Amino acid sequence: KAGVTQTPRYLIKTRGQQVTLSCSPISGHRSVSWYQQTPGQGLQFLFEYFSETQRNKGNFPGRFSGRQFSNSRSEMNVSTLELGDSALYLCASRVEAIANTEAFFGQGTRLTVV
Amino acid sequence: AQSVTQLDSHVSVSEGTPVLLRCNYSSSYSPSLFWYVQHPNKGLQLLLKYTSAATLVKGINGFEAEFKKSETSFHLTKPSAHMSDAAEYFCVVSVNTGNQFYFGTGTSLTVIP
Repeated sequence: KAGVTQTPRYLIKTRGQQVTLSCSPISGHRSVSWYQQTPGQGLQFLFEYFSETQRNKGNFPGRFSGRQFSNSRSEMNVSTLELGDSALYLCASRVEAIANTEAFFGQGTRLTVV
Repeated sequence: AQSVTQLDSHVSVSEGTPVLLRCNYSSSYSPSLFWYVQHPNKGLQLLLKYTSAATLVKGINGFEAEFKKSETSFHLTKPSAHMSDAAEYFCVVSVNTGNQFYFGTGTSLTVIP
């Protein structure tokens, strides 16, 4: 069974631009979560989608948005990029969006904002 | 509110000696607890999880963890470290309200040959 696939693996963008990251979950998984990982802040929860609905959202500005499609694939968008948005963005999929189900992570998208 | 504290940011052990990575959690509800490992430039891999069944949980690669409710701890152990264990380890808590994962700040494990 294929794992969680994130594309692209690396991105370099300029301040003020916008970016879209993609995540394909494990087949049969309906929950997709996004996390931002930085050396200073560690792993921070962005949002979770389940069956095309946003179920939970972390404490990030409105420039960060996402969506989930009917095939459970998810995209994350960041508009008006800032230098501080440089990070590893990780996507995780779960069978169900309940507390005791483990999450499977992709390898991440490394975003660099210059 | 939920939170996780990993008590050591860096742990260094010699190959073949025991590993202990410490994690304390705070939760208003019965938690699910996980340990994940992250090798350089890789995503996170699940080592083990606790979900209110047995308090001693066995995971992959010889790791295990014990849930101690009275101490609000979920420490990760391994009897004998291997060079391939060198990585970043994250303790995670999740509860049924919200269901999101709360990550600790991570413990970097170095294994000395």
